[in-house]
Order: sequence, then C-alpha cells, then structure tokens
Amino acid sequence: DQQVKQNSPSLSVQEGRISILNCDYTNSMFDYFLWYKKYPAEGPTFLISISSIKDKNEDGRFTVFLNKSAKHLSLHIVPSQPGDSAVYFCAASVENYGQNFVFGPGTRLSVLP
Amino acid sequence: DAGVIQSPRHEVTEMGQEVTLRCKPISGHDYLFWYRQTMMRGLELLIYFNNNVPIDDSGMPEDRFSAKMPNASFSTLKIQPSEPRDSAVYFCASGPNTGELFFGEGSRLTVL
Repeated sequence: DQQVKQNSPSLSVQEGRISILNCDYTNSMFDYFLWYKKYPAEGPTFLISISSIKDKNEDGRFTVFLNKSAKHLSLHIVPSQPGDSAVYFCAASVENYGQNFVFGPGTRLSVLP
Repeated sequence: DAGVIQSPRHEVTEMGQEVTLRCKPISGHDYLFWYRQTMMRGLELLIYFNNNVPIDDSGMPEDRFSAKMPNASFSTLKIQPSEPRDSAVYFCASGPNTGELFFGEGSRLTVL
C-alpha cells in the first residue's frame, strides 16, 4: 500500500502558464515533505521542502502548499518553462525519525513551448 | 564536493550472474540509501544506513539482494544471482542528519 501517492502520472502545460503537481499521503505521522525533480539519465535533485509547521513555502517560481487536514500537498510552478519538463517526485518523512523518506511514484511534467 | 558517485553507470549481464553496484557518499553525511526506480513502482527504498549501520532493510526484495557499508565512504549493493526482473535503475543517496537527500546519477542494470 503506497503511503505517498501522485495520482497523475503525467501533466502537460503551456509555457508561461501555471503547473500544479499534486501529492497525497496516508501516514499522519509524516511531518516533513520534499519535492525532487528528475531529468532523464540523471539522479533526482532536491527542489523544495516544507515542514508541517508551515502551510506554504516559496522559492522563486516554485511554491509548495501543505494541507495537513487533507493530507495533501501541491507544487506550483509559475510561470512554467520548457526546462521544467522532468519527472517530479513527492517525498515524505517523519522528521525526528531520521532520514527515512518515502517517495511517490512521480509525475512527468511536459511544458510545451 | 563531487557529489554522490555511483559505478557502474550501466551494467548488462546475464541471468544468474552476480552484480555489484558501488556508491561513494558525500563526505560527512551520516545517512546512505539505496533506491530502485522502476516504471511500475517509482522510487522504492531498498535499505538505508546510519553511520555505516544498516537501519532498515525491509525494502530489500529477496535474499538475493545484500548491501554493505564497510566504512563511511563506501557502500555496495549486491544481487546474486541476478534475474531479468531486477532490471531497473539503482540510485544511491546520502544525506546529513536532517534535510534533503543527495542522489547519485544511478546505475542502470539490465539482466538478460
């Protein structure tokens, strides 16, 4: 049973528009969340994180929103650029339990010029 | 720092052969992880170490899989004997006590 779910395997967005990637989790103990981006033939790279004491974290064009009651987080990319085309993984952990991150299956984002 | 270094980048082998994947974590990181990426399951955690000690190996699929971390700068993931269903990209990642993980570029394994 997947503890971290990304129900959209793929998403296509026009350049300049907003990309919204969603992630749901089932374990209420999770209190630290990250988004990773992965290009083909490369390892995942860290994008942005959020702790459960916040409901929003922003870094440039990337914003992550956390809704603890719904066990849902989302990554917003505004404006989307062709270079954002990649697979995005959501990951969750229990912060004081070390680094045992659970990853979702990923969403492939395609930003069309 | 050069980042997490994995070798080989690509491995093609025949069913039944032994496969050894290697990883050099970032110096100073307390944690080391082995993940497997497949189309069906995404990124699965196989095993992770803290200060060279295996903490959780519940993700290791079978006894054919084993992992070691003899020192803070080196880890291996071994599959013996390998099977076609083991074909995947295997990632090593390391991290400090808190914060994000840093991934290597992965080892793509093909078992014929």
